[in-house]
Amino acid sequence: ETGVTQTPRHLVMGMTNKKSLKCEQHLGHNAMYWYKQSAKKPLELMFVYNFKEQTENNSVPSRFSPECPNSSHLFLHLHTLQPEDSALYLCASSQEGPGGAKNIQYFGAGTRLSVL
Amino acid sequence: AQSVSQHNHHVILSEAASLELGCNYSYGGTVNLFWYVQYPGQHLQLLLKYFSGDPLVKGIKGFEAEFIKSKFSFNLRKPSVQWSDTAEYFCAVTNYGNNRLAFGKGNQVVVIP
Repeated sequence: ETGVTQTPRHLVMGMTNKKSLKCEQHLGHNAMYWYKQSAKKPLELMFVYNFKEQTENNSVPSRFSPECPNSSHLFLHLHTLQPEDSALYLCASSQEGPGGAKNIQYFGAGTRLSVL
Repeated sequence: AQSVSQHNHHVILSEAASLELGCNYSYGGTVNLFWYVQYPGQHLQLLLKYFSGDPLVKGIKGFEAEFIKSKFSFNLRKPSVQWSDTAEYFCAVTNYGNNRLAFGKGNQVVVIP
């Protein structure tokens, strides 16, 4: 148990569905992240939130919409996804400090998403 | 942007064999370096990290890694593997002052009893 909890663990959705992934961290961290893990590809950073403010969007399609209502919760809203969006979606958190020099990211177990 | 290379994506070895996984990164400035491990069905967890100081870093479960700045490398080693080391291993790098982790593609390691 890392202190980062993701729900659901598995999700199957059609291309016209709307669903949301949830992430909660119990570590008192001030930064949260969404990553996409696809087979045979490096983990891709999707979004970064620092102190609830989005500070990075790595050219992610608008069918992925993040939301960070507070520093402990992070959502990823999904709408009209494509089959190629099927992947493991990982959430992580860290404590950002001056210069961001020594922050370690703690990962959740992920949500395995299948888009039909 | 920082990029990370890991070669030999699939590694199969017998118990008690030695393991070395290569990691090279592209950016030549000050970096923070990490190895993460993902055991089957489990979350990514930190194996070891390098921020500064002694370039030979020791982590959990008998793993170590050596930072060689001149080679832009951070190779992971374990002298004698066990079946329980079967997992996927990821090298990751951040540039100093930036918390954006760049990951390699990972090494799938299978240890045969």
